[in-house]
Order: sequence, then C-alpha cells, then structure tokens
Amino acid sequence: EIVLTQSPGTLSLSPGERATLSCRASQSVSSRYLVWYQQKPGQAPRLLIYGASSRATGIPDRFSGSGSGTDFTLTISRLEPEDFAVYYCQQYGSSLFTFGPGTKVDIK
Amino acid sequence: QVQLQQSGPGLVKPSQTLSLTCTISGDSVSSNNAAWNWIRQSPSRGLEWLGRTYYRSKWYNDYAVSVKSRITINADPSKNQLSLQVNSVTPEDTAVYYCARDGWLGWLGPWGQGTLVTVSS
Repeated sequence: EIVLTQSPGTLSLSPGERATLSCRASQSVSSRYLVWYQQKPGQAPRLLIYGASSRATGIPDRFSGSGSGTDFTLTISRLEPEDFAVYYCQQYGSSLFTFGPGTKVDIK
Repeated sequence: QVQLQQSGPGLVKPSQTLSLTCTISGDSVSSNNAAWNWIRQSPSRGLEWLGRTYYRSKWYNDYAVSVKSRITINADPSKNQLSLQVNSVTPEDTAVYYCARDGWLGWLGPWGQGTLVTVSS
C-alpha cells in the first residue's frame, strides 16, 4: 500500500501570502490519480485538483498543482481568507484510495 | 446533480454492529460509470478509505485490508442506497463516516454530509 506523507503539518501564513504544500509518496504514483482536497471544519472534503494539476470545476486559478512520481505540490498563489483550511492529498491505485495526513493552513 | 444523504445511529455499543445508509439522488447505485464508497475520519487515523461497491453486470466490492474482515458494503437498487456494516466495533471505530461517489477517475465526489458515530457503552 502506498503511504502519503504531507509537509509541513501546519503552515501559518497571512492573507495574500503564497502557500506551498508538499505531498510525498512511498512509491511512484500515477499523476493521473493524484488529487488534492480542501476541508473546512464540519464539512466533507472538497475536490480542488485532480490528475495532479487539473483544477476541479469552480476552483479559482490561485490554486495549482504540480509534480510527478513521488513528489507533488499544491500551491496557493495568494491566500484569501476562505483558504484557511486543511488540505489533503490522495492517490488511487490497485483498487484502493489512500490519503495523506493533511496540512493545516492557518492564519498567522 | 448527484447528492448523497446519510442516515444511521450516532452511538453504538462496543462489540455491536455499526450500520449506516447512504441514499443517492441524481444517479443510480447500479450505474456502470460509478462506484460507491465509504470513508471515515478520526483524529487518530485521519481520512481512511474503507471500501466500495459497484455494478458491472454483477456486484463487486473492494475493501481496505485494515478493515476487510469486519466490514460489509451492500447496494439496494430498489431504494437507490448503499449501506455499510462494521462488525465487532471498538472505541477505535469512533469516527465521522462519509459515503462518496467515484467516477473511475481516481477522485471521490460528491460526498455525503458525514455521520459522527461514537462507540461507547
């Protein structure tokens, strides 16, 4: 089973700053099946990025994804107040889904 | 659009069976283009995919190794529902449980609203 590790655990930033979140896999992941979610308290995860770099419907272009193999990155170019949340990466392979432990982006 | 509505008890006693239902609208549980998943989330275990069911001329299931011996996921096409049963629960099974659709694209969505299930006597 592929294990996903996310760093940092918490990112403390101010609105307007750039956020760079990392997701590392224990073995190579198909970019097609690497996705990112945003989760706010009391809500289900919301799809942000699929296929490592494609924005889901309705996701602002300040969100971007990149990477391949075992290293993937989610970048938020300029943090808006509504972006402070927890972000999870997830991979799909061998008929199962695995999630990273999440990165919390909070207000500095 | 596709919507998932979860139902089921929020409190289960240790050693008993946890049972949840997810009612689907806007799609069919028997769709050839989708699979129907259960995921749970707890502070100790994070987001944990439990398994899924899907129909391709017959019903199939995939389960996470960690829970495979204790869970059953079924579909009821007459009610357009999927269900989750977790046997012999312990406090470690306390979590928010979600159902979610996957369209064979590697991502999950939409999700149900989540159900907090507490295992306690």
